[in-house]
Amino acid sequence: DAGVTQSPTHLIKTRGQQVTLRCSPKSGHDTVSWYQQALGQGPQFIFQYYEEEERQRGNFPDRFSGHQFPNYSSELNVNALLLGDSALYLCASSLASLGRDWSGNTIYFGEGSWLTVV
Amino acid sequence: DQQVKQNSPSLSVQEGRISILNCDYTNSMFDYFLWYKKYPAEGPTFLISISSIKDKNEDGRFTVFLNKSAKHLSLHIVPSQPGDSAVYFCAASERNYGGSQGNLIFGKGTKLSVKP
Repeated sequence: DAGVTQSPTHLIKTRGQQVTLRCSPKSGHDTVSWYQQALGQGPQFIFQYYEEEERQRGNFPDRFSGHQFPNYSSELNVNALLLGDSALYLCASSLASLGRDWSGNTIYFGEGSWLTVV
Repeated sequence: DQQVKQNSPSLSVQEGRISILNCDYTNSMFDYFLWYKKYPAEGPTFLISISSIKDKNEDGRFTVFLNKSAKHLSLHIVPSQPGDSAVYFCAASERNYGGSQGNLIFGKGTKLSVKP
C-alpha cells in the first residue's frame, strides 16, 4: 500500500519563476492538505482540498494556488517565487471526517519537496 | 502570534531515562492535540494524540498528558532509546463548523537526542 508520494523531491528555481509540486495521497484518502516548513520552523498550513475544491486556506498570498484532480491527487503552484519561499513543502492526506470520530492517526505526510529559490 | 509553542528547541537525555517534551497553546477552541516525530529527509510521522475530553493517553513507551486549565501538554517517553532521537512536533486542531476536523497548527519542534 503506497503512502503519500510527492514529486519532485528536490528542486532549485530562480526568483520570479513559477513552480508546480505534485502529491498523490495514500490509497483510500480523499483529502489533501499542503504545508510549508521553513528551516527551524514547524509546518505551516497552506490550504486543503476536498472534492476538487479548496476547503480551507491558511495565511498565504494568492501566489500560492492549488488543484485537486478527480483521482484525489493534488498540485501546489507557486508563482513569482521569492527567496523566502525556500522551504520543505509537505503534502498530507486524510479521509474527510465529517460526522466521524477523528483521532489524528489518519493523517499521513509525504516526505516533502525541498524547494530552493536562488 | 504563535498558537502552539514548544519553548525548548532541544533536549538531551540518557538512554533508559525519561524524556519529557512540553508544549503550550493559547487557543481554547483546540479540541485535539497530536505529537509527530520527524527524522531528517522524511515527512512527519504520527506518534500519539489526545482528545480535549481526556487528560492522558498512553501507547507503549509514549504517554501524552493534557492540562486544559494550564493549556499545556507534555509527551513522556519511557524508557528513552537512541532510535527516539528526532525532532518532535506538537500540533493542535479544532473542529470546523459542520464537524470536520480543521487544519493542524504546529509548534516549532524540539530536537531530542538520546545518548547511549
